[in-house]
Amino acid sequence: ETGVTQSPTHLIKTRGQQVTLRCSSQSGHNTVSWYQQALGQGPQFIFQYYREEENGRGNFPPRFSGLQFPNYSSELNVNALELDDSALYLCASRLTSGSSYEQYFGPGTRLTVT
Amino acid sequence: KQEVTQIPAALSVPEGENLVLNCSFTDSAIYNLQWFRQDPGKGLTSLLLIQSSQREQTSGRLNASLDKSSGRSTLYIAASQPGDSATYLCAVVVYSGGGADGLTFGKGTHLIIQP
Repeated sequence: ETGVTQSPTHLIKTRGQQVTLRCSSQSGHNTVSWYQQALGQGPQFIFQYYREEENGRGNFPPRFSGLQFPNYSSELNVNALELDDSALYLCASRLTSGSSYEQYFGPGTRLTVT
Repeated sequence: KQEVTQIPAALSVPEGENLVLNCSFTDSAIYNLQWFRQDPGKGLTSLLLIQSSQREQTSGRLNASLDKSSGRSTLYIAASQPGDSATYLCAVVVYSGGGADGLTFGKGTHLIIQP
């Protein structure tokens, strides 16, 4: 078991609404990343947080935003939902020290936008 | 821009066969390469991580190799079992000056092991 947890498991929203997804990192991990995985595709990197600051971002618009809290839990917020935002959202954590950069993933949140 | 390609997209083999999954990447300046397994509708399980300075890693029936210069990695599965049926994803990370970028994934190989 990886120790990364995500909530909720499933979520259904209407186009134009806003959504918040939550992630609890593996104990001791100080870096969290979020990924979007559309059906039949590999995950796409959204952004990464280290010590409560965003320090890396993929090709996603500003309506995708996040937070990391002092206890290393994290949120992904998506505003003005679009139908194409329907996907599995994955959270991953790792420890930023040493040379490993091995990432551990949570079970994901399935978001459906109607 | 880093691109990762996995071949084949799908594979169906009888139980007991040895098999090889392929992964290629366009930018050889990677920091490490990680192989994952994903069961339908689930999260990712890390199988093997190869640092850029390493050539291969082994875990049980799994062996992953890395050739940075040619931009290739292979995942070898020995004596396949029905429980190995899943999608296998390859991902690389490039280290930038401000820290490690996120993982860049391939689309995966959907593997079915027939009993």
